[in-house]
Amino acid sequence: GDSVTQMEGPVTLSEEAFLTINCTYTATGYPSLFWYVQYPGEGLQLLLKATKADDKGSNKGFEATYRKETTSFHLEKGSVQVSDSAVYFCALPGSARQLTFGSGTQLTVLP
Amino acid sequence: DVKVTQSSRYLVKRTGEKVFLECVQDMDHENMFWYRQDPGLGLRLIYFSYDVKMKEKGDIPEGYSVSREKKERFSLILESASTNQTSMYLCASSLDSPGNTIYFGEGSWLTVV
Repeated sequence: GDSVTQMEGPVTLSEEAFLTINCTYTATGYPSLFWYVQYPGEGLQLLLKATKADDKGSNKGFEATYRKETTSFHLEKGSVQVSDSAVYFCALPGSARQLTFGSGTQLTVLP
Repeated sequence: DVKVTQSSRYLVKRTGEKVFLECVQDMDHENMFWYRQDPGLGLRLIYFSYDVKMKEKGDIPEGYSVSREKKERFSLILESASTNQTSMYLCASSLDSPGNTIYFGEGSWLTVV
């Protein structure tokens, strides 16, 4: 079935560093792709999405480009802040109307 | 904005108790979900519902049941709580359309002692 493979964490960066979190997918066709973020003690929030190949999703300074050639949807941010410390999940539609999530990547940004 | 509200953020229950976790969404979504989140295991789907009174098992339904009597409300029931059900429980909802965004509640931390 369709699946996502996400970069293992945890990732620790200094403030203003460049962030990349890798996500690759296996899917039939070209499904929508998602990045969710979970701040400490909270539920998941949609960060960004892309609905078709070559689309770029962006929000809060984060970007991800849907690349069908490499079956990837890597999350990037040019300059991270302490407030970006969270767990990031890549996801795509799975069976039964749900989303299939990656294992999550813990990001810690140090001042 | 879509709002998914979980009635309890933190609960402590005793082994063998019956536990109800309630979830309400305000956007007329057809689909509702219950996930469990544990360190190292990610998110695992317990049950989902695509309509009133309809339910489908997810990946880990054992020890749980659900109820959806109204479209906006989806309840997770632990018939006899056990310590291995100590976890964070996340409710979510979505429109019934392929590739639609799933919206999550803030989570319920359940500790079974």
